[in-house]
Amino acid sequence: DAGITQSPRHKVTETGTPVTLRCHQTENHRYMYWYRQDPGHGLRLIHYSYGVKDTDKGEVSDGYSVSRSKTEDFLLTLESATSSQTSVYFCAMTGTGDGYTFGSGTRLTVV
Amino acid sequence: AQSVTQPDIHITVSEGASLELRCNYSYGATPYLFWYVQSPGQGLQLLLKYFSGDTLVQGIKGFEAEFKRSQSSFNLRKPSVHWSDAAEYFCAVGGPSNDYKLSFGAGTTVTVRA
Repeated sequence: DAGITQSPRHKVTETGTPVTLRCHQTENHRYMYWYRQDPGHGLRLIHYSYGVKDTDKGEVSDGYSVSRSKTEDFLLTLESATSSQTSVYFCAMTGTGDGYTFGSGTRLTVV
Repeated sequence: AQSVTQPDIHITVSEGASLELRCNYSYGATPYLFWYVQSPGQGLQLLLKYFSGDTLVQGIKGFEAEFKRSQSSFNLRKPSVHWSDAAEYFCAVGGPSNDYKLSFGAGTTVTVRA
């Protein structure tokens, strides 16, 4: 979507390997979020950021870490990928909560 | 804690018939409420949102939603469904009291039959 990009779009990785997904925004928004989408669960919040170097856990944070060293970049790392982390990952951003922009998603498969 | 419940997992509706999708939320303050639509393999598209004011909100594609505080509901409606409305619909709640984190319902899949 406009102003936010995710990379890669697709990734296949092996169990036990670390994986990093990148979210990049050009809107200078303060808040950024990582969600995972699984059938029957909607989108669930993994981690979020409320500023540079300010991050906090969401409802499904186990096995994930994040970093935000610059306003525009929010990285999600799977420290040691497991099959249960096979999912579609969405990044989102907002300035004041009156509108959210979502990335196009990253489809991650852990084999 | 905040949460969203979409009671209907799947709804089938005939083309031209009306559609109503239910959404109940839990939120400790004045909520920001959203409806999103997602076609298979696609991203999320915002249909409409409610922050304050008129409780009947108009959105894109002919959709509307009504905020009922007393019932903690934000149901989505469309008077006449088109085949292109077949998709998955998500209700979400958030707000300024918790860093604008959005909580999503599990989604309702809408099938449109000819």
